[in-house]
Amino acid sequence: QSALTQPASVSGSPGQSITISCTGTSSDVSDYKYVSWYQQHPGKAPKLMIYDVSDRPSGVSNRFSGSQSGNTASLIISGLQAEDEADYYCTSYTSTSVIFGGGTRLTVL
Amino acid sequence: EVHLLETGGGLVQPGGSLRLSCAASGFTFNTYAMSWARQSPGKGLQWVSTISGRGDSTYYADSVMGRFTISRDNSKNTLDLQMISLRVEDTAEYYCVRGPGLAVTGQGSRYFYYGMDVWGQGTTVTVSS
Repeated sequence: QSALTQPASVSGSPGQSITISCTGTSSDVSDYKYVSWYQQHPGKAPKLMIYDVSDRPSGVSNRFSGSQSGNTASLIISGLQAEDEADYYCTSYTSTSVIFGGGTRLTVL
Repeated sequence: EVHLLETGGGLVQPGGSLRLSCAASGFTFNTYAMSWARQSPGKGLQWVSTISGRGDSTYYADSVMGRFTISRDNSKNTLDLQMISLRVEDTAEYYCVRGPGLAVTGQGSRYFYYGMDVWGQGTTVTVSS
């Protein structure tokens, strides 16, 4: 099945902005129109942060935003806070499957 | 309050079987596609399977195709995952998940959209001799 590539780790200082990329490797990944992003703290269930590339579910801070260029989607976190330290996963879809990226560990310095 | 509660995890020998269940509450269950996702110890998230709201369409990851069966009972608001021929590499935390969205085009084909917006706390499956 298709794969989504994320950097293994990113880091930033409080107050800074960071970007996590998610690059598709197959032309079959639903034109990347429906990329979503999840946050997972250690020992906790994942939480939906962004869907359909750039939309935020109710209750998610507007410090989190999403964008896309070609086959690369990005999660941008502005005004980094200590609580943002977590693992982040992107997903996209083929016509018959859900594809997760490998995950990115965000460290807030 | 929207809630998903998984049960049925445990220790099973390679080649064995296990059935996971998920009880849903707080939303109109039959209007949502439902999924199972898993996470092996220290590893990333992996999608396992999705079933449409009416239960008439099912989708599986290549790694579980032919061994796992997803089903739902909309009268009881429950989602199940029957797992047979279990392998050591199936060891993971299994999550019951609401979503993703599943829509139909004018030509009758289905496509995924939106995201998986509600997750249970997970149930642990360990496959070991």
